[in-house]
Amino acid sequence: DAGVIQSPRHEVTEMGQEVTLRCKPISGHNSLFWYRQTMMRGLELLIYFNNNVPIDDSGMPEDRFSAKMPNASFSTLKIQPSEPRDSAVYFCASSLGGLTGAGELFFGEGSRLTVL
Amino acid sequence: KNQVEQSPQSLIILEGKNCTLQCNYTVSPFSNLRWYKQDTGRGPVSLTIMTFSENTKSNRRYTATLDADTKQSSLHITASQLSDSASYICVVRSLWGKLQFGAGTQVVVTP
Repeated sequence: DAGVIQSPRHEVTEMGQEVTLRCKPISGHNSLFWYRQTMMRGLELLIYFNNNVPIDDSGMPEDRFSAKMPNASFSTLKIQPSEPRDSAVYFCASSLGGLTGAGELFFGEGSRLTVL
Repeated sequence: KNQVEQSPQSLIILEGKNCTLQCNYTVSPFSNLRWYKQDTGRGPVSLTIMTFSENTKSNRRYTATLDADTKQSSLHITASQLSDSASYICVVRSLWGKLQFGAGTQVVVTP
């Protein structure tokens, strides 16, 4: 059974360019999370979707970040324009149940973003 | 202040030896606590979940403990193997569903 699939695995771009990260959650999971991981701050929640609806986007750094989940099997995280401080590993995770459940988070392999 | 504190930040152990990682939390009201293992370049994977009523749980060579009164958890690795080299992250969930992540403990197992 396929796990959470993220693409691209690696992205190197120049400051000011648009970056789009993609995620396919595990089939049947109704919750999807985008996290950012850096050495300094560890894992930080950016946004959480439940049944394709954004529930908590308080972690989204600023207006340059946006996320969508047009259907149950696909989500995107977009950064426009990108800045060097956005360099990090971005993880997508999915789970059964909402935040109030005890569901295990299943993480993708991550997208390593480097903004020059 | 982070509501989940892990110690040590990193440790190096010889293959075959045991080690214990600590997680102290202030998250309240408490729902559950998970230990995740994150291999280099990979996403975190859940090792075990501890709920309020559980004190000890084992998963192969990993044994987790929970003291809900003192709000402390530990992860003990027995007879470490090279494949245990990873970051171990403690994640605490509140009853309202919010997840708090620890900064992780980086474990290096040397031959």
